Amino acid sequence: AQSVSQHNHHVILSEAASLELGCNYSYGGTVNLFWYVQYPGQHLQLLLKYFSGDPLVKGIKGFEAEFIKSKFSFNLRKPSVQWSDTAEYFCAVNNNNAGNMLTFGGGTRLMVKP
Amino acid sequence: GAGVSQSPRYKVAKRGQDVALRCDPISGHVSLFWYQQALGQGPEFLTYFQNEAQLDKSGLPSDRFFAERPEGSVSTLKIQRTQQEDSAVYLCASSWPSGQGGTEAFFGQGTRLTVV
Repeated sequence: AQSVSQHNHHVILSEAASLELGCNYSYGGTVNLFWYVQYPGQHLQLLLKYFSGDPLVKGIKGFEAEFIKSKFSFNLRKPSVQWSDTAEYFCAVNNNNAGNMLTFGGGTRLMVKP
Repeated sequence: GAGVSQSPRYKVAKRGQDVALRCDPISGHVSLFWYQQALGQGPEFLTYFQNEAQLDKSGLPSDRFFAERPEGSVSTLKIQRTQQEDSAVYLCASSWPSGQGGTEAFFGQGTRLTVV
């Protein structure tokens, strides 16, 4: 069975600070990796995804993530956060089967102070 | 509509009551998923449909949980004899199928179920 760990449950940053959210997964085979974001009162939205190719993935709103296979990690980064980035962030993985079901981490709640 | 629609948005049920939660996926999406999200946790997989076929129900926590998608579009998640531990947000997601697992899932806003 696969699992996903997000190490930071709550993060508080000031605007313009840099962000890195950790994500580690446990699964020995080929995986697809995702970061979803949930803004207050809204549904989960895809931020970025990795299927294959360049391990550095660019997403929307200036976010990026790097897949490091040897470390089973897919950390999310943003060089300079904005107040509007306040949200909950979920890392997720599926294992390339026809079912496409996702295994999620526990989420990281980010608060950006203006 | 343009996105995944779930109803009701909020449901309060008395312990022992049966509830039915509805999901309208994005038109044409073949795959449909139900997830359960407890307070402070990430979503957990419940069940998966491809068209009307329920291909995986390994995440359903007990036989009180039942899901159907009879015509391959709208889906209903039914919980019988609700218990307090069933209190959670129930999320529905839909996607196009792909030969492999790398397909984006689109999520609805969820139904928040509170069992009192």
